[in-house]
Amino acid sequence: DAKTTQPPSMDCAEGRAANLPCNHSTISGNEYVYWYRQIHSQGPQYIIHGLKNNETNEMASLIITEDRKSSTLILPHATLRDTAVYYCIVREETSGSRLTFGEGTQLTVNP
Amino acid sequence: KAGVTQTPRYLIKTRGQQVTLSCSPISGHRSVSWYQQTPGQGLQFLFEYFSETQRNKGNFPGRFSGRQFSNSRSEMNVSTLELGDSALYLCASSLGGGSYRGYTFGSGTRLTVV
Repeated sequence: DAKTTQPPSMDCAEGRAANLPCNHSTISGNEYVYWYRQIHSQGPQYIIHGLKNNETNEMASLIITEDRKSSTLILPHATLRDTAVYYCIVREETSGSRLTFGEGTQLTVNP
Repeated sequence: KAGVTQTPRYLIKTRGQQVTLSCSPISGHRSVSWYQQTPGQGLQFLFEYFSETQRNKGNFPGRFSGRQFSNSRSEMNVSTLELGDSALYLCASSLGGGSYRGYTFGSGTRLTVV
């Protein structure tokens, strides 16, 4: 699985959009970008994933650059409950179960 | 529907003892994976079971083992506990099969070895 790079921490004001970047410059053509988050002392929670098109669901939007070397997770209206560590993971859809978590980004949403 | 259930939530054991942790996946999910999370190493993959067979294994010593039952419930066992085994152990379930579509994690078992 390709390696990802994320900033260690970010801050966001409550009600504003949170934009979390992820660099995956070595991504291969059949690897997807997945985002998970982990709220303190809970298990990771799946957020969204995509291959090359932008994706949106009820939780977030995922913007993948045209060259697929980077992506941005967007939480449109961050709340205090969005404070968590966000993990960007790149993997093939059929590469089995293993998820390789990096250090992620600690997002703190401030009132 | 019920989520992934891990028991117990907290556990304190003494060095040298062994421990068994349990995970009940979401109904209909056939794949169960286990992860260890420590402050120093982060989240690390232990192993995955699918239809009662281990089909993927991480880089952990043989003291860490697991199994899966016919109802997809899974247990992991750690023998001869060491202080460094203190961690949050997380279980994740998915439908399995040939295509990955996202895991649902449980809340974990917090193991403290003293």
